[in-house]
Amino acid sequence: DGGITQSPKYLFRKEGQNVTLSCEQNLNHDAMYWYRQDPGQGLRLIYYSQIVNDFQKGDIAEGYSVSREKKESFPLTVTSAQKNPTAFYLCASSIDLRGTEYGYTFGSGTRLTVV
Amino acid sequence: QQPVQSPQAVILREGEDAVINCSSSKALYSVHWYRQKHGEAPVFLMILLKGGEQKGHDKISASFNEKKQQSSLYLTASQLSYSGTYFCGTAQKTSYDKVIFGPGTSLSVIP
Repeated sequence: DGGITQSPKYLFRKEGQNVTLSCEQNLNHDAMYWYRQDPGQGLRLIYYSQIVNDFQKGDIAEGYSVSREKKESFPLTVTSAQKNPTAFYLCASSIDLRGTEYGYTFGSGTRLTVV
Repeated sequence: QQPVQSPQAVILREGEDAVINCSSSKALYSVHWYRQKHGEAPVFLMILLKGGEQKGHDKISASFNEKKQQSSLYLTASQLSYSGTYFCGTAQKTSYDKVIFGPGTSLSVIP
């Protein structure tokens, strides 16, 4: 079955460490997105990518970095510059830039905790 | 610009109806609706692309008033399975390649 796989499901980070969250899709979707979810704040856009080797900053990109070397993969690195990284991270994809007709497909998320 | 959702939370008894509203201060290209169960990924419900458009499946439907930059989600004869947090996501006409989500509406259906 096609879908989006995020790993790991739970991740613990020490202060000052960089960590990378994996996102892989086998839907042959062009567009991929990373959102951060905090309680009561909905989903906030971190980065998005429309094609390989190209990506754009979302509303809260500071302290994060991404790469898109393959169409199916869009990993997110949470750097030590991100001061409050504890959150639920969701990766999504859509068949085209506008998410028309079929909307976004989301992965099951990674819960990151700073210890 | 994050869309505004109302109400923040609602509790229903099985069989009752509910309306969730979503509004934006910007001209909209499209409105998405998603439902998220606790600890799970949001699930796509529907997308509205044109002003005046109404869509629905089963007993969940939505409308889009392009002039007012508003959308409403209608849940009729609610079932226990409808419980969750409902998010609207809006794509603005000036930047339709990304969707900005509202803060969500928590819906609880009780027997």
